[in-house]
Amino acid sequence: DIVMTQSPLSLPVTPGEPASFSCRSSESLLHSNGYNYVDWLLQKPGQSPQLLIYLGTHRASGVPDRFSGSGSGTDFTLKISRVEAEDVGVYYCMQGLQSPPTFGGGTKVEIK
Amino acid sequence: EVQLVESGGGVVSPGGSLRLSCAGSGFTFSNAGMNWVRQAPGKGLEWVGQIKRISDGGTTDYAAPVKGRFYISRDDSKDTVYLQMSSLKFEDTAVYFCTTVQWDASMVRVDYWGPGTLVIVSS
Repeated sequence: DIVMTQSPLSLPVTPGEPASFSCRSSESLLHSNGYNYVDWLLQKPGQSPQLLIYLGTHRASGVPDRFSGSGSGTDFTLKISRVEAEDVGVYYCMQGLQSPPTFGGGTKVEIK
Repeated sequence: EVQLVESGGGVVSPGGSLRLSCAGSGFTFSNAGMNWVRQAPGKGLEWVGQIKRISDGGTTDYAAPVKGRFYISRDDSKDTVYLQMSSLKFEDTAVYFCTTVQWDASMVRVDYWGPGTLVIVSS
C-alpha cells in the first residue's frame, strides 16, 4: 500500500497569516495522464471530512480561493494564504492512484 | 440538496455482526460509486471499501483488514448502500462514514460525506 506521511503533526496558526502543510507519498502519485492523484481534506471539530483539493491542485466546489494545492510525484503541499478562525481542524492528504486509497495521519491546525 | 445518512451503528460483541445502511438523496444514486471510510476514536481516516455503480459492473473492493469479513451491497431502488460487517473485532470500533464523489454543473468535483454512525465492539 502507498504510505502517506504528513508534517507537521500540529500547527499553531495566527489568523490572517499564511500556513502550509506537507504530505509525502511512498510512491509517485503522478498518473500517465499528467494528474497527481492526491486529495486534501479538512475535518473540522465534530464534523465529517470535507474535500478541499483534488488531483493535487484543483479546488473542490465551494472551497475558498485562499486554499491552494501544489506539488508533484511524491511531495505535495497545501497552503492557506490567510488563515481564518474557521480553518481549524485536522487536514488530511489522501492518495487515489492505487487501491486501497490511503490517508496521511493528519495535521492538526489550531489558532494561537 | 445532496444528503447521505448512515444508520445501524451500535454496540456489538466481538465475533458479532452488524449491518450499516447509508441512504442517499438529492442526486442520482444509481450513477454514484459509494465508499465507506472509518475513523477509530481519536484516530485518522481509514478507507474500508467501495462499490461501483451498476453501469460500471457494481464491483466491490475492500481494505485488507476487513476483506472476507465485510461485504458492501447496494439497492438502487432504495437509494441505499449497505455495509454488512461480520466477525467483528475490537479494532473495528469506529465511526463509519459513507461518501460519494460527485461533480457540480461546472464539472468541479464535490464529495459528500454522511455524518457517520458509531460502531462499538465491546465485551
